[in-house]
Amino acid sequence: GEEVAQTPKHLVRGEGQKAKLYCAPIKGHSYVFWYQQVLKNEFKFLISFQNENVFDETGMPKERFSAKCLPNSPCSLEIQATKLEDSAVYFCASSRVRGTEAFFGQGTRLTVV
Amino acid sequence: DAKTTQPNSMESNEEEPVHLPCNHSTISGTDYIHWYRQLPSQGPEYVIHGLTSNVNNRMASLAIAEDRKSSTLILHRATLRDAAVYYCILRARGSNYQLIWGAGTKLIIKP
Repeated sequence: GEEVAQTPKHLVRGEGQKAKLYCAPIKGHSYVFWYQQVLKNEFKFLISFQNENVFDETGMPKERFSAKCLPNSPCSLEIQATKLEDSAVYFCASSRVRGTEAFFGQGTRLTVV
Repeated sequence: DAKTTQPNSMESNEEEPVHLPCNHSTISGTDYIHWYRQLPSQGPEYVIHGLTSNVNNRMASLAIAEDRKSSTLILHRATLRDAAVYYCILRARGSNYQLIWGAGTKLIIKP
């Protein structure tokens, strides 16, 4: 597709429940990035992939967060045992080549109650 | 990581040029300067990027100071649809290519 597709748009989970977010990058793009926007303007990098390989995971809270990009499937970001502080908008982005323009999806708003 | 400093907000009149400043005094020689914007309730959108020379595209112009410690995003003729938060971001060449985001400037366009 010509745009990054993120699903679902909204997700509500009780504290301790699992949350799974999906991202279909633009066809032909080799790089996928996940960002978390907690407060209105603050973005935090989580993880990036080059095709199905983890490229950089320095931003991932590894205890509860995991992510995958498998061939012929949407990429996913999973949070085990969600906490209130995980409430945020999660953005996925893809780029054709490393370091070039990144295209962002519309985001998934996760609310943990 | 090199950081950027931007004004919290700016106002401009519709159909007038807008100059959005960004300070990045700790920039290194290999850092690229990227600008993205985020319209309300949307994902960020790429605007422009550059290294040393000024850059132009259909959306905007990027003017980079000679010492590279500051840059200015120029919207030549702002419309109401340009109202957004504009982020000035440094990306280290040869790094992991993640974007390190600042707080951005909220641009308000007055009709």
